[in-house]
Amino acid sequence: GAGVSQSPRYKVTKRGQDVALRCDPISGHVSLYWYRQALGQGPEFLTYFNYEAQQDKSGLPNDRFSAERPEGSISTLTIQRTEQRDSAMYRCASSPGQVVEKLFFGSGTQLSVL
Amino acid sequence: AQSVSQHNHHVILSEAASLELGCNYSYGGTVNLFWYVQYPGQHLQLLLKYFSGDPLVKGIKGFEAEFIKSKFSFNLRKPSVQWSDTAEYFCAVIPFSGGYNKLIFGAGTRLAVHP
Repeated sequence: GAGVSQSPRYKVTKRGQDVALRCDPISGHVSLYWYRQALGQGPEFLTYFNYEAQQDKSGLPNDRFSAERPEGSISTLTIQRTEQRDSAMYRCASSPGQVVEKLFFGSGTQLSVL
Repeated sequence: AQSVSQHNHHVILSEAASLELGCNYSYGGTVNLFWYVQYPGQHLQLLLKYFSGDPLVKGIKGFEAEFIKSKFSFNLRKPSVQWSDTAEYFCAVIPFSGGYNKLIFGAGTRLAVHP
């Protein structure tokens, strides 16, 4: 596609529910990143992939968070048993190569946990 | 804790004023440095980057930034701002000690430019 696409754009869920956030990177981009951004803060690194391999998941807050990119293209970030503190903007970005020179960001998914 | 610090959270300027946004980082060793910008209603996008070479780098829309290694700083400047520069600006660092691909962002500075 022309840019990084994220869906849904907004997600409202009840505490305890599972949510799945989708990211469709720019076609051919090797690396895919997930960030979380709380209000008034900068994007916080969660995890990233080169192709289908998850290279670094050190930013995932706890084991309720997981991500996958099974075919090296679309990625899903899953949050199980959501809590109110999970409410934030979740941003996906992709990069053409494995060395970050420029990240292309999507519009983000605004998650609200009630 | 290692971090990226942006000193000003909100900046208000009149058109034609000069701009300098501060950024300091606390990582030792080699770093790659970036400024990203988010205009209202748009995606985060790259403004400029520094990897090596001339410590004064120029980016899009007349922005520039200077890497001062001794001060662990990478301040963003523009001699004369325009209303269209109203946006949120994020400094970001890749510390090589953390791997080549972990981009760490500061908290951001919201710039409002009044006509």
